[in-house]
Amino acid sequence: TQLLEQSPQFLSIQEGENLTVYCNSSSVFSSLQWYRQEPGEGPVLLVTVVTGGEVKKLKRLTFQFGDARKDSSLHITAAQPGDTGLYLCAGAPGDYKLSFGAGTTVTVRA
Amino acid sequence: NAGVTQTPKFRILKIGQSMTLQCAQDMNHNYMYWYRQDPGMGLKLIYYSVGAGITDKGEVPNGYNVSRSTTEDFPLRLELAAPSQTSVYFCASSNRAGELETQYFGPGTRLLVL
Repeated sequence: TQLLEQSPQFLSIQEGENLTVYCNSSSVFSSLQWYRQEPGEGPVLLVTVVTGGEVKKLKRLTFQFGDARKDSSLHITAAQPGDTGLYLCAGAPGDYKLSFGAGTTVTVRA
Repeated sequence: NAGVTQTPKFRILKIGQSMTLQCAQDMNHNYMYWYRQDPGMGLKLIYYSVGAGITDKGEVPNGYNVSRSTTEDFPLRLELAAPSQTSVYFCASSNRAGELETQYFGPGTRLLVL
């Protein structure tokens, strides 16, 4: 059983469309991180959200941390082929060792 | 800075063989980690180290060993390879402990055990 559940597992959209991926848990986290992993490479940190209800924007990417600090979402506006990758959420349930979700594989078709 | 480097990129092992996956970082980070990534399962922590000479088990340590003789290097040893160890292995490092800390990942080693 994953501590962090991500949905959907796969998402394929056309360039220019919007998408949202979700990260949910029954546990409370003091912060959550989002990483993107491109094929053949290691994950790279995109953002850390730390306050319940927080919204952070990174160009066309919008990250939200749930009020109860049990969930987070990533919304991409006008997706581009360069957004293709595996999106992972991660949190530290009580210590500094990260627990990762299984990830959402996003494919943006040109 | 090269960041986190891993060698080899790809390896095929026969059941029962042993090998060492190399990991090095040039950022002077105290904390280093080994993860394995299996399809649909996310990243699972194998071992971690909080500094030279100090290592500890993560979530899935069975079948693996590590050492940390220097700040820069954190090799992962597989003594008796099994098909269940077929996976992609990632090494990571961070400057400090803490859930707000960024972990920097290497490019991974893809291991196939036949």
